[in-house]
Amino acid sequence: QVQLQESGPGLVKPSQTLSLTCTVSGGSISSGGYYWSWIRQHPGKGLEWIGYIYYSGSTYYNPSLKSRVTISVDTSKNQFSLKLSSVTAADTAVYYCAREYGGPIDYWGQGTLVTVSS
Amino acid sequence: DIQMTQSPSSLSASVGDRVTITCQASQDISNYLNWYQQKPGKAPKLLIYDASNLETGVPSRFSGSGSGTDFTFTISSLQPEDIATYYCQQYDNLPRTFGQGTKVEIK
Repeated sequence: QVQLQESGPGLVKPSQTLSLTCTVSGGSISSGGYYWSWIRQHPGKGLEWIGYIYYSGSTYYNPSLKSRVTISVDTSKNQFSLKLSSVTAADTAVYYCAREYGGPIDYWGQGTLVTVSS
Repeated sequence: DIQMTQSPSSLSASVGDRVTITCQASQDISNYLNWYQQKPGKAPKLLIYDASNLETGVPSRFSGSGSGTDFTFTISSLQPEDIATYYCQQYDNLPRTFGQGTKVEIK
């Protein structure tokens, strides 16, 4: 059973960089066929797709966030990461890591709340 | 970006009722549509993929249909544990986009 777990600071100061890591267990990031995704949800709102990465390092970012987002992968640790720079209060959200398999997002982490505040 | 429009935004129904949610895409997405269920404080859960295929382990009272731009999600007999917010999501194009969600409550 594949499991994903987000980790990282729950509080980030405005203008700083939000950094989260997703650790994958029960399966290998390098097995291919899967896209490792980040999705966020503002408090009480809907779901916003941030971007994804393939194990080879190929990425696609949502154009609405592209200038501030970097997603990377560390296959040796079976982890992938999200960096979001120059954060503001509008980036306060629950951040989910997830696995996309040919379109459907079939496994999700439990989510982690990141608050942007001084 | 492809815009996904769900309706209604919320609904209230009785246990045993048939519940229907619609999702409209701003352009033809063939059958590249998924439905998710999200309970409060939890991550979304995949229910339906490719517009009409039931994910393994999901009760058969859930179903989906449609293609092109118009899609329907149905709960044939609403159960108390179905209280949640439901989202459609397209994967025809990048970026992936979600509908705004439909909150289902018990009357």
